[in-house]
Amino acid sequence: NAGVTQTPKFQVLKTGQSMTLQCAQDMNHNSMYWYRQDPGMGLRLIYYSASEGTTDKGEVPNGYNVSRLNKREFSLRLESAAPSQTSVYFCASNPSPRGADTQYFGPGTRLTVL
Amino acid sequence: DQQVKQNSPSLSVQEGRISILNCDYTNSMFDYFLWYKKYPAEGPTFLISISSIKDKNEDGRFTVFLNKSAKHLSLHIVPSQPGDSAVYFCAAITGNQFYFGTGTSLTVIP
Repeated sequence: NAGVTQTPKFQVLKTGQSMTLQCAQDMNHNSMYWYRQDPGMGLRLIYYSASEGTTDKGEVPNGYNVSRLNKREFSLRLESAAPSQTSVYFCASNPSPRGADTQYFGPGTRLTVL
Repeated sequence: DQQVKQNSPSLSVQEGRISILNCDYTNSMFDYFLWYKKYPAEGPTFLISISSIKDKNEDGRFTVFLNKSAKHLSLHIVPSQPGDSAVYFCAAITGNQFYFGTGTSLTVIP
């Protein structure tokens, strides 16, 4: 039982390049989330998926797109990376769509955009 | 606009003493509150939670207090241990969304 896994662990991009961050969970959770963590800002929600087939915007969705490929996988895409997107990205999952349960986090992806 | 705030970026405590971490929120629609602990280069891990209908929840050395009238949440760790040194985030839930504070870095001095 691996929990929540994220790939890659580290990535360096040039401004304007695109990339997809992958996230998978093996706990049969319904809800999945993408956050970014910046110094002094805590964790901010980018997008979430309450259940397979649905996605919704969080606090900071601009510049990102997501895909809930199936129940296990939730990917985050940067179409044209900008230096402001330099951050640590965390994926998380929840047992229930309501979100009242705890979230389980992946180890994070450290992204640098030059 | 930060709906969940942790005004102390850092806290140092002697081993064996009590650590008190504080959190304030602005949204009265929050109905569930949680504390997470985060070590460097790892994702946050759940520590303890409290429903908005309660004012206290205890789990071993960890106790969370909720004061709804003041919109204030606190985490007490007694006794503090060096392994508790980490960044602590409080979080609040409304609907399907989690809102996190900016974190407090706790250092427990042996």
